[in-house]
Amino acid sequence: QQQVKQSPQSLIVQKGGISIINCAYENTAFDYFPWYQQFPGKGPALLIAIRPDVSEKKEGRFTISFNKSAKQFSLHIMDSQPGDSATYFCAASGGVGGSQGNLIFGKGTKLSVKP
Amino acid sequence: DGGITQSPKYLFRKEGQNVTLSCEQNLNHDAMYWYRQDPGQGLRLIYYSQIVNDFQKGDIAEGYSVSREKKESFPLTVTSAQKNPTAFYLCASSILQMNTEAFFGQGTRLTVV
Repeated sequence: QQQVKQSPQSLIVQKGGISIINCAYENTAFDYFPWYQQFPGKGPALLIAIRPDVSEKKEGRFTISFNKSAKQFSLHIMDSQPGDSATYFCAASGGVGGSQGNLIFGKGTKLSVKP
Repeated sequence: DGGITQSPKYLFRKEGQNVTLSCEQNLNHDAMYWYRQDPGQGLRLIYYSQIVNDFQKGDIAEGYSVSREKKESFPLTVTSAQKNPTAFYLCASSILQMNTEAFFGQGTRLTVV
């Protein structure tokens, strides 16, 4: 129930295309869903995050779509660029106190954007 | 500049040795975390601390130890009991709970030789 399942494991997209990464969760107590971007040899950095009171959040070329009933959320990268090539992690956390606020991460998606 | 500093960036350990990874933050965050990253495994939580002098085990704490004597510092010791220590280790911090932005350090790559 604590897992966050992420797919696909890897993704190749042409420059200018749309990259879509999906995540699913089981724990209905989760109330925070961030996406992190990681370049090789670096630590992850927060890209965009959403809370379940909205179904979509957009920041520039990056959009999170959230489906509370299906317990799924996805990251869409519009007009993908070679500089977007990185590993993307979805995550979830929820509740207050103890371990409930800790982030549970998906296993990551390695995105390659071809020029 | 505010942030999280991990050192060293690369670390080599001989079989049977204990090694300590450093993590310092100047963000005035209460919570600090250690994650282990292996290829295809995502980030797995080793230990976390929400207050000075207190810490809790994460999902894969066996073979590791931590201390939190100062708010700014959360060192991780990889002991000889950790059978497969070769990995990329990431330290993170957040205001208190991780349902706000978590900030990560640049990581330490540990290799057993």
